[in-house]
Amino acid sequence: EVQLVESGGDLVKPGGSLRLSCAASGFTFSNAWMSWVRQAPGKGLEWIGRIMTKTEHGTTHYAAPVKGRFTISRDDSKNTVYLQMNSLKTEDTAMYYCTSYIVATKRGDYWGQGSLVTVSA
Amino acid sequence: QAVVTQEPSLTVSPGGTVTLTCGSSTGAVTSGHYPYWFQQKPGQAPTTLIYDTTNKHSWTPARFSGSLLGGKAALTLSGAQPEDEAEYYCLLSYRDGRVFGGGTELTVL
Repeated sequence: EVQLVESGGDLVKPGGSLRLSCAASGFTFSNAWMSWVRQAPGKGLEWIGRIMTKTEHGTTHYAAPVKGRFTISRDDSKNTVYLQMNSLKTEDTAMYYCTSYIVATKRGDYWGQGSLVTVSA
Repeated sequence: QAVVTQEPSLTVSPGGTVTLTCGSSTGAVTSGHYPYWFQQKPGQAPTTLIYDTTNKHSWTPARFSGSLLGGKAALTLSGAQPEDEAEYYCLLSYRDGRVFGGGTELTVL
């Protein structure tokens, strides 16, 4: 069974930094594209970015609002994907979800339960 | 960045059929956009109903189906149940990333 567990959410001041983690199990992590999606309170889903497999050079893509501030990385030895968030703004306040797409089976996306990030002075 | 459009809200009668659509500002939606459909109920994480236009997960009720219709991706619900009342989001892939639609609030009434 695919499981994704996000952690690291917290209250942080504007301009601050935070790193979220997403621990995966139930599938071959190294063969999965891992993405981050967020949802501001009362709003819709927003795709943040994705990291592809090491075979694909760990290529990353980011949405415009976070490009240059957020970085996605992965540690296949720990079955974990990270979202490093810098220069945080109040509008980054949201529930952050990680999702997985399993390349070998071409099946996705599987979702975690989310981690809440609040950016406030 | 592309804009993905969905109907803001739709209503369906119990047992009825409804089609939600997903359009792209860049032109016709094709299988090359790998359309996804997600369901989200209040207070819960989203779940994937449909991936790559038409494919279902093991947990996807048979009454849901995905297709391409008139240049858009479509999610059809046939035989609506009260538990299908939820927000539905589509997601399209582009060369430089993916974009969600704004969501459709589906009421079963």
